[in-house]
Amino acid sequence: GEDVEQSLFLSVREGDSSVINCTYTDSSSTYLYWYKQEPGAGLQLLTYIFSNMDMKQDQRLTVLLNKKDKHLSLRIADTQTGDSAIYFCAESTGRRALTFGSGTRLQVQP
Amino acid sequence: EAQVTQNPRYLITVTGKKLTVTCSQNMNHEYMSWYRQDPGLGLRQIYYSMNVEVTDKGDVPEGYKVSRKEKRNFPLILESPSPNQTSLYFCASSLNHRGGELFFGEGSRLTVL
Repeated sequence: GEDVEQSLFLSVREGDSSVINCTYTDSSSTYLYWYKQEPGAGLQLLTYIFSNMDMKQDQRLTVLLNKKDKHLSLRIADTQTGDSAIYFCAESTGRRALTFGSGTRLQVQP
Repeated sequence: EAQVTQNPRYLITVTGKKLTVTCSQNMNHEYMSWYRQDPGLGLRQIYYSMNVEVTDKGDVPEGYKVSRKEKRNFPLILESPSPNQTSLYFCASSLNHRGGELFFGEGSRLTVL
């Protein structure tokens, strides 16, 4: 079955790096995604990675994919207070498009 | 502007009073979906639609109905709401179900007393 798991909470200091981890179960997923949800808003796509890639970098964001362990991580360098949000990991699952994790609330302390 | 629009954004209602949450997208997307978000449970899919007149159940369809008569609209119907349907609801759409960005509405917060 499909299941995506994340830790619920992460607290970091401004300027530090944040690493949010995710495990998934569907080895046939073509894409894996990170979505960001700011307070009072819907989810927005932050970045994604193809399943045949190990790493993707986009400015302050680095996504690492370990297919063997079905582990995905999102690293945010130089974390700012504006990065405070809930981050969702998601995997593509055929007909139902995406299966989401429970979300990790990132709190950035000044 | 490309967007997914939900209405109402906030609603307080009473048990048993039928309600409809509308969802409309202007991107000519084939795929649309409804999710509910509850603390600690993330997003759970209620129903999805791969195209006009094609709908299917997600993880938590009980107590909900949907229809897809037009490509742009995908209303969520609660025939007889109950307190356990108090939640934050999101509509989303994407080009198709095969992957790619899922665009979300801003959410509808529903309270059933």
